[in-house]
Formats: sequence, structure tokens, C-alpha cells
Amino acid sequence: KQEVTQIPAALSVPEGENLVLNCSFTDSAIYNLQWFRQDPGKGLTSLLLIQSSQREQTSGRLNASLDKSSGRSTLYIAASQPGDSATYLCAVRRTSWGKLQFGAGTQVVVTP
Amino acid sequence: KAGVTQTPRYLIKTRGQQVTLSCSPISGHRSVSWYQQTPGQGLQFLFEYFSETQRNKGNFPGRFSGRQFSNSRSEMNVSTLELGDSALYLCASSLEAEMTYNEQFFGPGTRLTVL
Repeated sequence: KQEVTQIPAALSVPEGENLVLNCSFTDSAIYNLQWFRQDPGKGLTSLLLIQSSQREQTSGRLNASLDKSSGRSTLYIAASQPGDSATYLCAVRRTSWGKLQFGAGTQVVVTP
Repeated sequence: KAGVTQTPRYLIKTRGQQVTLSCSPISGHRSVSWYQQTPGQGLQFLFEYFSETQRNKGNFPGRFSGRQFSNSRSEMNVSTLELGDSALYLCASSLEAEMTYNEQFFGPGTRLTVL
């Protein structure tokens, strides 16, 4: 059974510092991994999707890496801003039409 | 292009009642999934519909049901509501076309409170 873990559960960084968010999963047989952002009481916003055959994906200040063999993905956010404050969730999918299995998320606070 | 929309956004019900939530996927998306989010359990998968057929189902009791219409819009129904059903219910859609890798796009959610 797939288990997805995100550590730490929360972190606080000063503005301008780079953010490093971790996601680990127990079953390396995944189809893809998706990173989301969730603001309080809101829905999820898709940030990046990495296919199992890919090593990383980049979008603006965001970069996500995937090491399937070790069951890890890392989301890097460069030069953090207060607007980056949110909960970040990772989710893995076993098959192309399978459900998303979510981690519990990392709550990020960027202080001005 | 409009995103995933969910109605209503907020709902208050009492125990024993039933409720129906609606989800309109992004235009052209054929797959719709439903998730329940609670502080204690996090995000849990309810079910997924594709071309009006339930393709996947999570581990929820039979009180939770859903359907999808020919225009891909989906509804989920919860009968005999319990206090523990209070949650944010999220709907997600995906295109399911080559090279999209079935990226999931989520709606704003429906906040259900059961009193």
C-alpha cells in the first residue's frame, strides 16, 4: 500500500530564502507525481507534474525533482515571498487513470 | 478557459439529512474525481468518473455515491449525514489526452458542515 509522507509538517522562513519541501513515497511504481498549493479554505492549485520517466520539472521560481528509485521528490522555491505562504501537498498516481494518493502537506510561512 | 466549478460553496445540514454536491469540469475534460478533505484524515479519494462510468472507488461507505452526466458534469450525494461527514469536498478534472499525463485540476471545493 502506497504511503506518502511530507516532512516537515510546517516551516517558517524569512523572505528571500530558498524553500526546500520534501515528499517521500513507499512504492516506486508510480505513473506520475504532482505538487499542489492550497491556500486556507481553498481548493488545490496544480504547480508541477513530473512523469515517472522525468527527473525534474521547472516553472518560474519552482523546480521539482523526482528520484523514483529512492521514493523521493523535492520542491524548490527560489527567493521566497510572503505570497508563497500556503500549504504545499504532493500526490502520486500509480496508473494513468488511478487515484491521487496525497501526503499530509507542509505548511509554509514566509515572513517579511 | 473557465476552471473547475463547484456548487454550492458552503452548505449546512443536520444529521440524517442528505446532500447533493455539483461539479462542472473544465470544458473538454472527461474525467472527474471527488476527494474529501478533513483536518484529521487529510485528502481522501472518494470516486472517479469517466464517460459516465465509475472507474475508481475509494473506501467510503455506500452512503456516498456519485454520477456523471453526458456533458461530464458530476454530482455526488451523501445520504443519512453524520457529524463526521463535515469536510471540504473537492472535485478535480483531467483531460485524459496524450501528453497531458492526466494532470488533475481542482475546483474551490464545497464546505459541508453537519450539525
